[in-house]
Amino acid sequence: AQRVTQPEKLLSVFKGAPVELKCNYSYSGSPELFWYVQYSRQRLQLLLRHISRESIKGFTADLNKGETSFHLKKPFAQEEDSAMYYCALAVNTDKLIFGTGTRLQVFP
Amino acid sequence: KAGVTQTPRYLIKTRGQQVTLSCSPISGHRSVSWYQQTPGQGLQFLFEYFSETQRNKGNFPGRFSGRQFSNSRSEMNVSTLELGDSALYLCASSFGRLVFGGKGTDTQYFGPGTRLTVL
Repeated sequence: AQRVTQPEKLLSVFKGAPVELKCNYSYSGSPELFWYVQYSRQRLQLLLRHISRESIKGFTADLNKGETSFHLKKPFAQEEDSAMYYCALAVNTDKLIFGTGTRLQVFP
Repeated sequence: KAGVTQTPRYLIKTRGQQVTLSCSPISGHRSVSWYQQTPGQGLQFLFEYFSETQRNKGNFPGRFSGRQFSNSRSEMNVSTLELGDSALYLCASSFGRLVFGGKGTDTQYFGPGTRLTVL
């Protein structure tokens, strides 16, 4: 079955601390994974995709096919990183499947 | 460029009624996808329309339907509303098909959503 799991509903850290938002997926095909972010009172938007191997706002995510994971990381969290983060999997011919999201709270 | 717009932004209906939501994509975008967002289930894919044709559909009952017009605007209809249909309905547009059969995925731009409350 195709599934995206984000085990943490809430992750709280202090400013300057490292952040890792976990995402695990289940998919038999070749995975294409994304992280979306929704800041307070803003629209859901694409943060990064694994095929681009890019770093956006200091965030990176590496696809680990062995562990079927795509964890989002940032070495030093900022208060403006507080948001809802969704991991998503593109299913080969169909659609995007989203995880249930992790709320990141960064305290000053 | 104007972003994705959705109307209405808020809607209150009662059980058994039907509702139509509208989504206007970014100019030039031809794909519109719809999602249902609830606290319990998160974001769930409803369907995608491209060139006036439904291309993909998620696991939702037939009460959920949609259509796309020649100008790429899309409407979503929910008939015989149930309490569980209360949710934020998001639409997203992209230039091409959302998922190109494994060859890549176009970037989606989301609208602000329509919050539907069913009483």
